[in-house]
Amino acid sequence: EIVLTQSPDTLSLSPGERATLSCRASQSVSSNFLAWYQQKPGQAPRLLIYGTSNRATGIPDRFSGSGSGTDFTLTISRLEPEDFAVYYCQRFGTSPLYSFGQGTKLDIK
Amino acid sequence: QVHLQESGPGLVKPSGTLSLTCAVSGGSISSSNWWSWVRQPPGKGLEWIGQIYLGGSGSTTYNPSLKSRVTISVDTSKNQFSLKLNSVTAADTAVYYCARNGDWSLEYWGQGTLVTVSS
Repeated sequence: EIVLTQSPDTLSLSPGERATLSCRASQSVSSNFLAWYQQKPGQAPRLLIYGTSNRATGIPDRFSGSGSGTDFTLTISRLEPEDFAVYYCQRFGTSPLYSFGQGTKLDIK
Repeated sequence: QVHLQESGPGLVKPSGTLSLTCAVSGGSISSSNWWSWVRQPPGKGLEWIGQIYLGGSGSTTYNPSLKSRVTISVDTSKNQFSLKLNSVTAADTAVYYCARNGDWSLEYWGQGTLVTVSS
């Protein structure tokens, strides 16, 4: 089973700053199969990025994704107050078909 | 835009069966081939439970960690799909989400429903 490890566990930044979140896979993942989600307290996760770098419908362009192989990154260029949340990476593969990283909490410094 | 809404008992007794339904509105459930269930224990991360494929014979794929206890089914006439998880324990206490699969991702999610396993 491919394990996704996100870092850091918590990232403390201020609005307007740039956020860089990392997702490392224990084995290579096809770039088609890596996605990112945002989850705010009491809400369902929301798809941000699919296929490593494609923004989902309605996602602002301050969110971008990159990476390949085992290392993937979600970047938020200029943090807005509504961006402080927990972020999960997710891989599509086998056994199980979908798996998630443990999450990175982005909080206000 | 598609809207998903989970429903079902919020409290299930240990060793019982958890049963949830996901109602799809804003479009036909047949508009997409793949539909999933995901759960999240309180304060913890996300775990994919399984999916159902509407094409062909309605085949299912489950997380191996839950496979022996899970059944996902669909009722296209009611525009909904369902989850059954049997022999539940306290470890199955979680918010349960239904979702529509996208391109190797989970594109739309329901708001989630908390199910507590307790006597």
